[in-house]
Amino acid sequence: EPEVTQTPSHQVTQMGQEVILRCVPISNHLYFYWYRQILGQKVEFLVSFYNNEISEKSEIFDDQFSVERPDGSNFTLKIRSTKLEDSAMYFCASSRGARETQYFGPGTRLLVL
Amino acid sequence: GESVGLHLPTLSVQEGDNSIINCAYSNSASDYFIWYKQESGKGPQFIIDIRSNMDKRQGQRVTVLLNKTVKHLSLQIAATQPGDSAVYFCDTGRRALTFGSGTRLQVQP
Repeated sequence: EPEVTQTPSHQVTQMGQEVILRCVPISNHLYFYWYRQILGQKVEFLVSFYNNEISEKSEIFDDQFSVERPDGSNFTLKIRSTKLEDSAMYFCASSRGARETQYFGPGTRLLVL
Repeated sequence: GESVGLHLPTLSVQEGDNSIINCAYSNSASDYFIWYKQESGKGPQFIIDIRSNMDKRQGQRVTVLLNKTVKHLSLQIAATQPGDSAVYFCDTGRRALTFGSGTRLQVQP
């Protein structure tokens, strides 16, 4: 059964450094998403992406965040200058259509020191 | 604005019993509903969905009931197992899933 994959599973970085989190969505899906979950808190929507552009974003997704689909398979989330409060689990998801089931990856645990 | 919420923060059941998790929504125009669960340390996992032209849908050991009159849906898990222990969420299939606080299902051996 196809699934969303994410790399790396864990990443530790210094405050102020740039990080890129990678995702490979399910191959025939057209909509891609990033969510984050700070430890002990609920999963929060960051951004949705369709047809090579952002279709919706939350207040969390400020100028330090960017997303890209650099090729036909990868979907990336870049955090330009990480802050301590960016430490969280980041989940990628994909769906076939705009309001269809989103399938989630296993997540990348980001720790900013 | 639109809201979707679970009724109880925690539900504790005995292994083998049936579980019922309830959810209410506010937007009567909602036409698609999804249940997810999240196990500790893992990403949200799709369980089952239902469209508004149905009032019941069954999966493997799970059933979702939709009552559009009172804007309520429920997830029934038959013969609950320890592996069902997780936080359960309902949503109305929007692009930006909201994942409220959910209902934590605890299965007692």
